[in-house]
Amino acid sequence: EAGVAQSPRYKIIEKRQSVAFWCNPISGHATLYWYQQILGQGPKLLIQFQNNGVVDDSQLPKDRFSAERLKGVDSTLKIQPAKLEDSAVYLCASRRTSGSSETQYFGPGTRLLVL
Amino acid sequence: AQKVTQAQTEISVVEKEDVTLDCVYETRDTTYYLFWYKQPPSGELVFLIRRNSFDEQNEISGRYSWNFQKSTSSFNFTITASQVVDSAVYFCALSTNTGGFKTIFGAGTRLFVKA
Repeated sequence: EAGVAQSPRYKIIEKRQSVAFWCNPISGHATLYWYQQILGQGPKLLIQFQNNGVVDDSQLPKDRFSAERLKGVDSTLKIQPAKLEDSAVYLCASRRTSGSSETQYFGPGTRLLVL
Repeated sequence: AQKVTQAQTEISVVEKEDVTLDCVYETRDTTYYLFWYKQPPSGELVFLIRRNSFDEQNEISGRYSWNFQKSTSSFNFTITASQVVDSAVYFCALSTNTGGFKTIFGAGTRLFVKA
């Protein structure tokens, strides 16, 4: 099966500009995650979707970050306006559940550099 | 408040040695999930395991094993007969659902396996 797709792979913007990232999960996976990973740190879950509903967005900086998954398939994460501290890798993942077990699949990530 | 502590910042072993990565968590929830992830030098995150709080059975998958002990709030990960390909950063994570679903990661343990 095809993996989790993300685009773009790299993005360089200036502070105060806007940027959007796209994620297409594995077909049939109802759960989709966006993570932010700053260099040298562990991932931080920004938002978790179940189909097109939000399960967890407790760590999403809502004043500048937004995400949507309108049709319960692909998703877009937006930053507006970007700050220097938003420089990070943004990872998308989707989840397959089987009974009481689960497996998560990660995309290659989008590397964002804010200048 | 929820917390995940991976006290070992870096571990270095020689190939074929066994190595244990520690993870200690804090939560007041009675229902929660614990995870381990691997991030090799290529940067892509790999999901390894999910364990729920009601299942204290140890898990073995090939050379990997996990020891979950609620009494000590630990979820340790052991690699038996380590290999160079095991060199990576390993993250432990905790998901809880009190006052809203939330997932947090530990800071990670960098494992070096030398040939």
